[in-house]
Amino acid sequence: AQKITQTQPGMFVQEKEAVTLDCTYDTSDQSYGLFWYKQPSSGEMIFLIYQGSYDEQNATEGRYSLNFQKARKSANLVISASQLGDSAMYFCAMREGPYTGTASKLTFGTGTRLQVTL
Amino acid sequence: ETGVTQTPRHLVMGMTNKKSLKCEQHLGHNAMYWYKQSAKKPLELMFVYNFKEQTENNSVPSRFSPECPNSSHLFLHLHTLQPEDSALYLCASSQGDSEKLFFGSGTQLSVL
Repeated sequence: AQKITQTQPGMFVQEKEAVTLDCTYDTSDQSYGLFWYKQPSSGEMIFLIYQGSYDEQNATEGRYSLNFQKARKSANLVISASQLGDSAMYFCAMREGPYTGTASKLTFGTGTRLQVTL
Repeated sequence: ETGVTQTPRHLVMGMTNKKSLKCEQHLGHNAMYWYKQSAKKPLELMFVYNFKEQTENNSVPSRFSPECPNSSHLFLHLHTLQPEDSALYLCASSQGDSEKLFFGSGTQLSVL
């Protein structure tokens, strides 16, 4: 079974509007971490936001927020006030088990391509 | 931060060739990673190095051979590859006290 599921292959949003990118995950661990990365056409993956499984508040980083619903095992990314530069692939990822403080082993989803239009 | 550099950006090789991908990080990180990104598939973790020691080999075929001579450099040596090995190969690094991965722009590999 897939550990990370992103059901939206592509999304369109108008500039200045908000958009939600879906992510569901599957793990039996109590301790885990959830991440979102952005990959523009240049290829480089860029870290956006992190949510720990024990964090009670939803994570926010500027225009990015993570809508964490633990019981539903979902970790949706919300981008507010979309900009043309937000057009990219977006990947949800998970680290299962507690972080050991050495290397970060992540499992990624298949990604969602977001296109911001005028 | 764009402190992870990968070369070459593009590589075309025949199945009998031997080539190497290079990754260099200028961030002072202690962990380095190779990921494979194929079309319409999730990123696959291939290898992890922590303080130059390999800590993860994710059942990668032996035609891929990693080398980490120091904490700043990571190589992926390729030989007798198959067409299905064509993909974007991404290098990443991280520091032990943070889970944030910093990626390079990748090497787009085509195997003919």
